[in-house]
Amino acid sequence: DAMVIQNPRYQVTQFGKPVTLSCSQTLNHNVMYWYQQKSSQAPKLLFHYYDKDFNNEADTPDNFQSRRPNTSFCFLDIRSPGLGDAAMYLCATSRDRRHSNQPQHFGDGTRLSIL
Amino acid sequence: DQQVKQNSPSLSVQEGRISILNCDYTNSMFDYFLWYKKYPAEGPTFLISISSIKDKNEDGRFTVFLNKSAKHLSLHIVPSQPGDSAVYFCAAYANTGNQFYFGTGTSLTVIP
Repeated sequence: DAMVIQNPRYQVTQFGKPVTLSCSQTLNHNVMYWYQQKSSQAPKLLFHYYDKDFNNEADTPDNFQSRRPNTSFCFLDIRSPGLGDAAMYLCATSRDRRHSNQPQHFGDGTRLSIL
Repeated sequence: DQQVKQNSPSLSVQEGRISILNCDYTNSMFDYFLWYKKYPAEGPTFLISISSIKDKNEDGRFTVFLNKSAKHLSLHIVPSQPGDSAVYFCAAYANTGNQFYFGTGTSLTVIP
């Protein structure tokens, strides 16, 4: 009964070739997040959607875009992947942005490799 | 600027003994703290949390302690079991902001 599902689990793309990662949720949560995590580092928030309201972190490169066509789905688009974008990408959800003791629920991640 | 720090990248403990994982933070506005557990090839799963109005929260074998004056929290696992072997992430949140801040994780190995 997976609640946050990320596809694919592993993605290999070529340097500069656009790639899209997907996330779906069955929790009906208002907020969806995308994190980038590199080896031995903390997950780094790229952006989040509060319903349809997109919130980009100041240091997220322009190369990264996101779409949320409906409550259940959220996509991460990397327009021109560089070698430095190889990482684990984690999608998470939460019921509300003001957390009040509400943890985030994570998917299992997509491991992105760049050739 | 790493606002949440886990200074021990790894920890090994004998089965049945206590595991203590530590986390320090710098932002005094943080008011909600969580621990996540992550197995290889899986996403982090929520383990236990504590609000800044408390100094202790207990859930079965897991207890989180918060020392606001020292800006320090710890996770105690008693007794430790081999299935507890995983990476543990500390996270913090400020209700004045809108994101969680994560530490770099501590890899716990419980030796049978």
